[in-house]
Amino acid sequence: NAGVTQTPKFQVLKTGQSMTLQCAQDMNHNSMYWYRQDPGMGLRLIYYSASEGTTDKGEVPNGYNVSRLNKREFSLRLESAAPSQTSVYFCASSESGRRTEAFFGQGTRLTVV
Amino acid sequence: AQSVTQLGSHVSVSEGALVLLRCNYSSSVPPYLFWYVQYPNQGLQLLLKYTSAATLVKGINGFEAEFKKSETSFHLTKPSAHMSDAAEYFCAVSDPLAGKSTFGDGTTLTVKP
Repeated sequence: NAGVTQTPKFQVLKTGQSMTLQCAQDMNHNSMYWYRQDPGMGLRLIYYSASEGTTDKGEVPNGYNVSRLNKREFSLRLESAAPSQTSVYFCASSESGRRTEAFFGQGTRLTVV
Repeated sequence: AQSVTQLGSHVSVSEGALVLLRCNYSSSVPPYLFWYVQYPNQGLQLLLKYTSAATLVKGINGFEAEFKKSETSFHLTKPSAHMSDAAEYFCAVSDPLAGKSTFGDGTTLTVKP
């Protein structure tokens, strides 16, 4: 049971380059999320998708775009990477509703130089 | 808006000692609360959750947390620390409308031999 799978695990970008972080879940969850984790700042929500076909901004959406390709997949795109986007990115999924916990991927460590 | 505050970014205990990690929440409605643990270079995984069924919640690895409405707290405890408990711990509160969670800044637990 793979759970939530993120690719790649590590990436180094030059300022201005673009890239897409991929995320897929095999738990048939409706909701999916992208977070970034920075030291001392916990997890901050970038975008989320409550169900297939919908996406909404989170706390820190600037500089990012997302696509909910289907129920399984939710990708995060950096159009023009900046050093401030150096972070660890986590994808998560959950069943619908506020009672349910999130299941997290292993993370993507992104460095922008 | 929901929020959580974790008191103490670093906690250090000796092996066998009591572990107490503090979390206070703010919520406009009865909250659903979660504790997650993150081991180095891994994603977050659920320790336990409170969804109004019982105020004392037991989780994995011997952890438990008590919901205290009068104190707006949801502190995490473990009677006897083990070296394997060294990790970062996050408290989270669920948004009543969207189901997404807001995370605290995290507490790093160090266990000394």
